[in-house]
Amino acid sequence: GQQVMQIPQYQHVQEGEDFTTYCNSSTTLSNIQWYKQRPGGHPVFLIQLVKSGEVKKQKRLTFQFGEAKKNSSLHITATQTTDVGTYFCAGYSGQAGTALIFGKGTTLSVSS
Amino acid sequence: NAGVTQTPKFQVLKTGQSMTLQCAQDMNHEYMSWYRQDPGMGLRLIHYSVGAGITDQGEVPNGYNVSRSTTEDFPLRLLSAAPSQTSVYFCASRQGPEKLFFGSGTQLSVL
Repeated sequence: GQQVMQIPQYQHVQEGEDFTTYCNSSTTLSNIQWYKQRPGGHPVFLIQLVKSGEVKKQKRLTFQFGEAKKNSSLHITATQTTDVGTYFCAGYSGQAGTALIFGKGTTLSVSS
Repeated sequence: NAGVTQTPKFQVLKTGQSMTLQCAQDMNHEYMSWYRQDPGMGLRLIHYSVGAGITDQGEVPNGYNVSRSTTEDFPLRLLSAAPSQTSVYFCASRQGPEKLFFGSGTQLSVL
């Protein structure tokens, strides 16, 4: 079945440093979604990418979808302590309405 | 508009006991799903439903049953709890291929 892999599993940065997490799928994705989970909380949707090569920005966050639609990345510029949490990518291949499969997530810690 | 509501928030069971985790959404979403979250394992899909009367297995379905008699409700049943089912359980719903809305989770411990 489809697998979604994320690296790294953990990342610690100093406040102000940049951070990137990578997501790779074993199959071509129709779209990819990113979620953030704060410690003790539930996952919250950040963004969805649909088009090959798509790049979207949300303030200091930059999301990319690969040309082959099998990989994606999330880059945070100048991290802040509010960025702490676990970032998940998720995707499904095939038709809409099928199961959304999550990567294992990247847990980001930030020290000030 | 409450979104996705899960009950209970915490539960402790003894091995072999049964229980039902409740999930309800008030957004008229056709798609609902259950995930479990374990340290280092991310979110793993247990069961999902694309509409009332339709359910399907996810990645880790063994030991769990579901049913979908209404659009709003999607309960998860543990028939005979095992320590391996100690986890945090999340219910989530969405409309079509759009974003998932998650409940606040149920922390389950099986002793």
